[in-house]
Amino acid sequence: DVKVTQSSRYLVKRTGEKVFLECVQDMDHENMFWYRQDPGLGLRLIYFSYDVKMKEKGDIPEGYSVSREKKERFSLILESASTNQTSMYLCASSLGTGWDEQYFGPGTRLTVT
Amino acid sequence: GIQVEQSPPDLILQEGANSTLRCNFSDSVNNLQWFHQNPWGQLINLFYIPSGTKQNGRLSATTVATERYSLLYISSSQTTDSGVYFCARDQAGTALIFGKGTTLSVSS
Repeated sequence: DVKVTQSSRYLVKRTGEKVFLECVQDMDHENMFWYRQDPGLGLRLIYFSYDVKMKEKGDIPEGYSVSREKKERFSLILESASTNQTSMYLCASSLGTGWDEQYFGPGTRLTVT
Repeated sequence: GIQVEQSPPDLILQEGANSTLRCNFSDSVNNLQWFHQNPWGQLINLFYIPSGTKQNGRLSATTVATERYSLLYISSSQTTDSGVYFCARDQAGTALIFGKGTTLSVSS
């Protein structure tokens, strides 16, 4: 079974803090993704990565950065958290041979106060 | 741009009823997936179905790529089927673009 884990289910941070969201997959997948989900706006792509140290901007990258130093781990970084970054964050991975099935982690509900 | 439209937005059923959820999409697809989001927010993979028909227990799905739609069938619905169902397809690269979802409520 594919397993995608995220470091926290719930997180509360203060405005201006630097926030790290970690995602780990155990299936040797090449591709990893970060999405955020908001009521009325659905799921939107923030960043994705095709390989170690490779990253591509998604639809809403502003205010975020990412890091992929190891194949199994993809981190989302909020350099200076703001209240409009309060959201549900979902990480996903896929094999990487083409348009493969994506598997999602349990999500992190981030609240910025 | 690429569009994914799901219907209906909301569906209320009695336990035991059958239902059909629809996903319309623009342009040809390389990847199409159906997910169920549980009350805790986790997206559960139901089907990977860029074309053809698949069945898994009480659930089945059909994608007619030439006509740009996919259908998810739920038979003999149970209260545990409640939640939000998403259709998603490939966009630039291999990322997914999601529809707005169908919220299903099944009552006993």
